[in-house]
Amino acid sequence: EVQLVESGGGLERPGTSLRLSCAGSGFIFDDYAIHWVRQVAGKGPEWVSGISWNGAKIGYADSVKGRFTISRDNRRNTVSLQINSLKKEDSAMYYCVKDGGKYEFESMDVWGKGTTVTVSS
Amino acid sequence: DIKMTQSPSSVSASVGDRVTITCQTSQDVRKFVNWYQHKSGGAPKLLIYDTSNLQRGVSSRFSGSGSGTYFTLTINNLRPEDFATYYCQQYNQAPLFTFGPGTTVDVK
Repeated sequence: EVQLVESGGGLERPGTSLRLSCAGSGFIFDDYAIHWVRQVAGKGPEWVSGISWNGAKIGYADSVKGRFTISRDNRRNTVSLQINSLKKEDSAMYYCVKDGGKYEFESMDVWGKGTTVTVSS
Repeated sequence: DIKMTQSPSSVSASVGDRVTITCQTSQDVRKFVNWYQHKSGGAPKLLIYDTSNLQRGVSSRFSGSGSGTYFTLTINNLRPEDFATYYCQQYNQAPLFTFGPGTTVDVK
């Protein structure tokens, strides 16, 4: 079974940093891009960042560019999202998502259960 | 930036109805549009990729069409489990992706 398991969420103060992790299993991890998508309850999903199968291509939403850094370790089947200078508007459920396209960006076909980030003073 | 709109923002329908949702983009995104279904409390679910390709395991009552800047998602013979919010997504400038604002299908 294809699985993505997120960890690292929590309650954080504005201005601090946080590192989210995602562990993938049940598929050939280094064949697929991985994304982070966040969603506030009652609102639509927001794509945050994505990294290609080999880490060569990386993208960020304008809302997080310069504060978020995505990386992957294909030996450990993990993807990380480093979040710096946390803002209250970063509060959301963060989903790790597998891309559906092999060796290319295409769609978001398998979603993890998510990890909650709450930023509050 | 590519802006996305969806219409209607909400639609009331009955079981057995056909529902059509449209998605428009501010620039030509060729065929690079996906559709997702979201139900409260869970993660979004991929329905259609690249405008018209049905994701494995998704009911054939769902179909997609379009190109350029205008795309549609059609749900035929609406079932009780189809009441949800639907989002389009474009990725013409991958690895950048954008979700649309969503269309809620609720019970008439």
